[in-house]
Amino acid sequence: EAGVAQSPRYKIIEKRQSVAFWCNPISGHATLYWYQQILGQGPKLLIQFQNNGVVDDSQLPKDRFSAERLKGVDSTLKIQPAKLEDSAVYLCAIEILETYEQYFGPGTRLTVT
Amino acid sequence: AQSVTQLGSHVSVSEGALVLLRCNYSSSVPPYLFWYVQYPNQGLQLLLKYTTGATLVKGINGFEAEFKKSETSFHLTKPSAHMSDAAEYFCAVSRGSGGYQKVTFGTGTKLQVIP
Repeated sequence: EAGVAQSPRYKIIEKRQSVAFWCNPISGHATLYWYQQILGQGPKLLIQFQNNGVVDDSQLPKDRFSAERLKGVDSTLKIQPAKLEDSAVYLCAIEILETYEQYFGPGTRLTVT
Repeated sequence: AQSVTQLGSHVSVSEGALVLLRCNYSSSVPPYLFWYVQYPNQGLQLLLKYTTGATLVKGINGFEAEFKKSETSFHLTKPSAHMSDAAEYFCAVSRGSGGYQKVTFGTGTKLQVIP
């Protein structure tokens, strides 16, 4: 069974502070995604990993966002420093091999004040 | 390049009425198409998908969608709305690119079910 845990579920920080999010898939999957979902919008891809490597980070604001995937399983997403416009839900998802289906975690809701 | 357009950010139906949520896509190659549902404070959950084969696909909770290549559409329907269907629905398109799948989501349609 595919399952994705994310932590923390909620985070409130002030602008210019740093924050980190964790994604822990229950079982190993080659492809892992981080999305940013701003209120009232669809998920926007930030970064896509294939095993440990990055295959798409074209929409990741690299001056402030970074992500890594350790041993092809867990992943972290960091924002440093945060801006007001980073307030959003950050979703982690894994893709089931050869079905192209994505399983999402519950997300981390970030509020930047 | 690919894109997804969901017509209507909000749709209201009466309980027991037909649900129709519209999705049109553009893609330079035959895509895979998906509908996901999101309940408040939760992640997205797969409703159904089209990859190949039969163009009418059935999903969970009585939903179905039909892939119409000539109309580049993948509209989601359910014959009779239930209160528990109130949620936000996202259409997504996926295509192979350089050995991996590139996924694009629509902006979502929030479904309200009126008792």
